[in-house]
Amino acid sequence: KAGVTQTPRYLIKTRGQQVTLSCSPISGHRSVSWYQQTPGQGLQFLFEYFSETQRNKGNFPGRFSGRQFSNSRSEMNVSTLELGDSALYLCASSLELAAYNEQFFGPGTRLTVL
Amino acid sequence: GESVGLHLPTLSVQEGDNSIINCAYSNSASDYFIWYKQESGKGPQFIIDIRSNMDKRQGQRVTVLLNKTVKHLSLQIAATQPGDSAVYFCAEEARYSGAGSYQLTFGKGTKLSVIP
Repeated sequence: KAGVTQTPRYLIKTRGQQVTLSCSPISGHRSVSWYQQTPGQGLQFLFEYFSETQRNKGNFPGRFSGRQFSNSRSEMNVSTLELGDSALYLCASSLELAAYNEQFFGPGTRLTVL
Repeated sequence: GESVGLHLPTLSVQEGDNSIINCAYSNSASDYFIWYKQESGKGPQFIIDIRSNMDKRQGQRVTVLLNKTVKHLSLQIAATQPGDSAVYFCAEEARYSGAGSYQLTFGKGTKLSVIP
């Protein structure tokens, strides 16, 4: 079956703009989690959505938000972009809540903020 | 491909040798640990996991060892192959009160280079 897909794969924005990233989980998976990966901080958990509700949240400012649709597809939004938001944004899906369950990652969206 | 990290610790091993990648975790409340492999241009891929009530778990060519006393985790790869070249991350998970509440923390990663 198809893996986790993320669109777009690459994105260039300028400071102050906002961006929306999309993630389609593996068919049948109900949980989608988002991560930010940078050379300096490594992989950091942003939030998890399950059944259209945010179930868990990392330590990121309110500029980072997300949502999940009834078909489990998820979007992540970053408003008022800063240079430090340049990163690889990964989403991962799991059958049930991610805690103690295997997560399957997508290839990521590379966001560059100029 | 995507660069997943600059200045990562690097482990170079000869093809066919065994590899050992180490990870120190920080949270004594963590009770679930995972190793991921990330190849250039791809997202992390689950390799093996272990719960805190175990100290060893084996998979196909991989073994994870957990030492809770010193909060140390290791990944052993037997008969390392060129296809094993990647960045390897450990992750620790701690559950908190509330349904689904947990904290997942990733290590910075180690780059494994296999010399043919």
